[in-house]
Amino acid sequence: SQQGEEDPQALSIQEGENATMNCSYKTSINNLQWYRQNSGRGLVHLILIRSNEREKHSGRLRVTLDTSKKSSSLLITASRAADTASYFCATDEGGSEKLVFGKGMKLTVNP
Amino acid sequence: EAQVTQNPRYLITVTGKKLTVTCSQNMNHEYMSWYRQDPGLGLRQIYYSMNVEVTDKGDVPEGYKVSRKEKRNFPLILESPSPNQTSLYFCASSLSGLHRGGPGNQPQHFGDGTRLSIL
Repeated sequence: SQQGEEDPQALSIQEGENATMNCSYKTSINNLQWYRQNSGRGLVHLILIRSNEREKHSGRLRVTLDTSKKSSSLLITASRAADTASYFCATDEGGSEKLVFGKGMKLTVNP
Repeated sequence: EAQVTQNPRYLITVTGKKLTVTCSQNMNHEYMSWYRQDPGLGLRQIYYSMNVEVTDKGDVPEGYKVSRKEKRNFPLILESPSPNQTSLYFCASSLSGLHRGGPGNQPQHFGDGTRLSIL
């Protein structure tokens, strides 16, 4: 079952601009994670936010979580060409044994 | 260096010829899982293991087998591969067993992927 759905599916911006990606999910969760994938490579963990948290920061990344709307957003500030990648959200469907990934969103940052 | 190692990285084979993709982690992680990634479908979980000798089906287990005899290894076995199993496969691991809140409670560490082509 696909839990998280990222939106938009693709985003193209200029270097220095901010990029915002959204993730919506269907059932209650304990945790939501964001990952980055460079072309054809393994996913790299970016940030984890728990259901009792509303916002979290890590460097240029800012993640928000709205459990009432079942949605999360990932903001990358002052984007760089190296941020070009696909981004995935993943949820644990209420603390189950499974981590379910969305289909991903492709971000292109033009120099 | 902490890592998840998959082998082989690339494989082209023919329908029906049994193959095994190995996955090994050196972080003493309890949780391991396999995913396949297909265009437009994202990552879908094939099997996962909460600890040694404990495995369970993910969302797309048909045509695959796994085993977890040791904590560090979690091989993926295709007994009779078919063309619809052509895909990019990822192994992942994390610290969490259920007693630590499950896999959602910890970052997943991914291998670099195995690209399988079954003709």
